[in-house]
Amino acid sequence: KAGVTQTPRYLIKTRGQQVTLSCSPISGHRSVSWYQQTPGQGLQFLFEYFSETQRNKGNFPGRFSGRQFSNSRSEMNVSTLELGDSALYLCASSLVGGASQPQHFGDGTRLSIL
Amino acid sequence: AQTVTQSQPEMSVQEAETVTLSCTYDTSESDYYLFWYKQPPSRQMILVIRQEAYKQQNATENRFSVNFQKAAKSFSLKISDSQLGDAAMYFCAYRSEGSNYQLIWGAGTKLIIKP
Repeated sequence: KAGVTQTPRYLIKTRGQQVTLSCSPISGHRSVSWYQQTPGQGLQFLFEYFSETQRNKGNFPGRFSGRQFSNSRSEMNVSTLELGDSALYLCASSLVGGASQPQHFGDGTRLSIL
Repeated sequence: AQTVTQSQPEMSVQEAETVTLSCTYDTSESDYYLFWYKQPPSRQMILVIRQEAYKQQNATENRFSVNFQKAAKSFSLKISDSQLGDAAMYFCAYRSEGSNYQLIWGAGTKLIIKP
């Protein structure tokens, strides 16, 4: 069974631009969560999607948005990029997203803002 | 709000020896789940072990085991017979209905294996 696939693996952007990251969950998984990982703030939850609906959202500005498609693939968009958005963005999937279910992670997208 | 604390930024152990990584958490809930994840330089977050709070028995996965002390809100990870491939960042995480099912993470412990 294929794991969680995140594309692209690396991305370099400049301030003010926007970016879209993609995540394909494990086949059959319907819940997709996104996390931001930085050296200073550690791992922080961005949002979770389930059946094309955003079910939970972390404490991030509206510049961070996402969506989920009918095949459970998810995209995350960041508009008006700031230097502080430089981070590793991790996507995780699980069957239905309950507390008991472990999340399976992709390799992440490393976003660098110049 | 729930919090997770890992007080050891870095630990080192000799190959083949045993090491224990510490994790404490704060919550007012009685039903929750605790996880240890490993993140090697390849970046992928890998689930090491999971513990249900309602289970008194400590979880074990091969060389990895936990010491779960619910009253003390402590959840340490013991790695036996350490191997070079165990070198990684280890993160303790909490998840519950009260956390809206999101993982609440500790700051991580960097584990170094000395050959």
